[in-house]
Amino acid sequence: SAVISQKPSRDICQRGTSLTIQCQVDSQVTMMFWYRQQPGQSLTLIATANQGSEATYESGFVIDKFPISRPNLTFSTLTVSNMSPEDSSIYLCSVEEGQSGYEQYFGPGTRLTVT
Amino acid sequence: AQTVTQSQPEMSVQEAETVTLSCTYDTSESNYYLFWYKQPPSRQMILVIRQEAYKQQNATENRFSVNFQKAAKSFSLKISDSQLGDTAMYFCALQIQGAQKLVFGQGTRLTINP
Repeated sequence: SAVISQKPSRDICQRGTSLTIQCQVDSQVTMMFWYRQQPGQSLTLIATANQGSEATYESGFVIDKFPISRPNLTFSTLTVSNMSPEDSSIYLCSVEEGQSGYEQYFGPGTRLTVT
Repeated sequence: AQTVTQSQPEMSVQEAETVTLSCTYDTSESNYYLFWYKQPPSRQMILVIRQEAYKQQNATENRFSVNFQKAAKSFSLKISDSQLGDTAMYFCALQIQGAQKLVFGQGTRLTINP
């Protein structure tokens, strides 16, 4: 499977600021996804990012709060804007690949704490 | 809407024992995929096993196997000869064919004791 890296691995930020999380894949992939995992909770899809088009956001997530870029087939960024303590979560990117074409593989995640 | 339910928040077994994690799901779609992911304390999500709904044969990956009961909408994971490294959160997930989105259950925290 693809090797996926994320930067930063963790960060502590002040409320009202923004943080951009990077996701890098070692091979070209069509679909990239961003998930949020709130403390002690499961994963929830934020948005799907295709190269060359606007990201598609899930219900409850908006572009102004979570702008996403997808400049090429190996890279994507997620920005968490105007942060509040409720944004403290692990943010994970994933890619769709595998022999069957539908499996998703995840990056190591970014642990964000907002104070 | 799709939902996934894991009714066991925590489980604990002794090393070398066999353990079964439960998962039920709900969807009105007929074509979908089911997955089990493992998330150790390092928080890296690792794909353990997958099952295509159209396949009657249960998937197996080494010590991991599933019991897929489509009519009952049940998808349990069996771990044989459990090892200390199996200690992790285990998430069951559902994906409708063509939809890409993974819908996750709430997870089961599994502890393997020496």
